Amino acid sequence: GDSVTQMEGPVTLSEEAFLTINCTYTATGYPSLFWYVQYPGEGLQLLLKATKADDKGSNKGFEATYRKETTSFHLEKGSVQVSDSAVYFCALRPPSGYSTLTFGKGTMLLVSP
Amino acid sequence: SAVISQKPSRDICQRGTSLTIQCQVDSQVTMMFWYRQQPGQSLTLIATANQGSEATYESGFVIDKFPISRPNLTFSTLTVSNMSPEDSSIYLCSAERVNTEAFFGQGTRLTVV
Repeated sequence: GDSVTQMEGPVTLSEEAFLTINCTYTATGYPSLFWYVQYPGEGLQLLLKATKADDKGSNKGFEATYRKETTSFHLEKGSVQVSDSAVYFCALRPPSGYSTLTFGKGTMLLVSP
Repeated sequence: SAVISQKPSRDICQRGTSLTIQCQVDSQVTMMFWYRQQPGQSLTLIATANQGSEATYESGFVIDKFPISRPNLTFSTLTVSNMSPEDSSIYLCSAERVNTEAFFGQGTRLTVV
């Protein structure tokens, strides 16, 4: 079945550091890929998405590129802020018909001043 | 996008009792879902809430334990029945329209003592 694998956290960075959170997936065909963010005490919010190979999703300084050849969708940000501290979830939706999302386990990011 | 209001935001309950969580969406949506997020874990889909009919449950979840209602396109409830400490978790409501991303409520943090 479909699956999403994320790097384990917590990822601990200083403010203005470069961020990469790895995400790889297993799925048939070309799924849609998503990154969601969960701030402390809140629900999940969509951060960015990509629906086809080589698409780049971007939002709030975060970027992720849909790489079919490596089945990856790594999240990056050039300069993190303390306010970026949250849990980040990678997710996929299969391309055929309507299916629910499959989530990775989440990666906690802690940014210190 | 859609705004989802979920309540209560948190509760502490005695074992053996039941809690009903409400989810209200500000516009009509096609699909509504209920997830469980155990401490430090990813999201696990409990069921799809179907309008006017019985919910569709995922493996490991049953209607007697987690009865769900969806009387119209914008409202759903999840009841956690006969609670035990193992039910302590965050419960999240989610909504989607066809071919859009998922939107989430802020979650209900449940502690069973």
